[in-house]
Amino acid sequence: AQKVTQAQTEISVVEKEDVTLDCVYETRDTTYYLFWYKQPPSGELVFLIRRNSFDEQNEISGRYSWNFQKSTSSFNFTITASQVVDSAVYFCALSETLPPRNSGYALNFGKGTSLLVTP
Amino acid sequence: EAGVAQSPRYKIIEKRQSVAFWCNPISGHATLYWYQQILGQGPKLLIQFQNNGVVDDSQLPKDRFSAERLKGVDSTLKIQPAKLEDSAVYLCASSLGNSHNEQFFGPGTRLTVL
Repeated sequence: AQKVTQAQTEISVVEKEDVTLDCVYETRDTTYYLFWYKQPPSGELVFLIRRNSFDEQNEISGRYSWNFQKSTSSFNFTITASQVVDSAVYFCALSETLPPRNSGYALNFGKGTSLLVTP
Repeated sequence: EAGVAQSPRYKIIEKRQSVAFWCNPISGHATLYWYQQILGQGPKLLIQFQNNGVVDDSQLPKDRFSAERLKGVDSTLKIQPAKLEDSAVYLCASSLGNSHNEQFFGPGTRLTVL
């Protein structure tokens, strides 16, 4: 079963538009972490943010903001005033505690959302 | 600080051949991961090491894939024999400890099996 769902496969926007990338996750753990990574055309995954399950405060970093809502199991990512350089595939990922406890913390990735920002 | 290094960057082989990938994690990172990323999908964990011990290899196809991290630093991932469906990007990542730390990814090795 897919633990992280990114329903939007591809999004295309014009520069300066705001865009929100959706992420819905599924877990039975009470302690878990959520991540967003960016994968530009070069292929290397770039870390953007990590949030733990006990911190539901929204976070803003420049043009990026994240909305974490445990009630809906969502961790959405918004880019304000998008730029061409934002074009990439964005992955949401979940880190649980694998059984037996404390044995591993691998990332479960969604399938990614490909964002294209055109001038 | 040097990032995660991987080689080769690209590899083309024929099915049933063998191939090996190398990864050098960030200095001081105890945990090393190998992920497989098939085109159009998110990375999927193959194996996780904590120092030179295996933490999780439940998704590693052990009949053809093997991995080692002998001295707790560099790691190699081998496929023998390769199948067409092994065509993918193989990503190595490392993190400081065995916790919910940020994972740093290498550039990956793109494998094409013909």
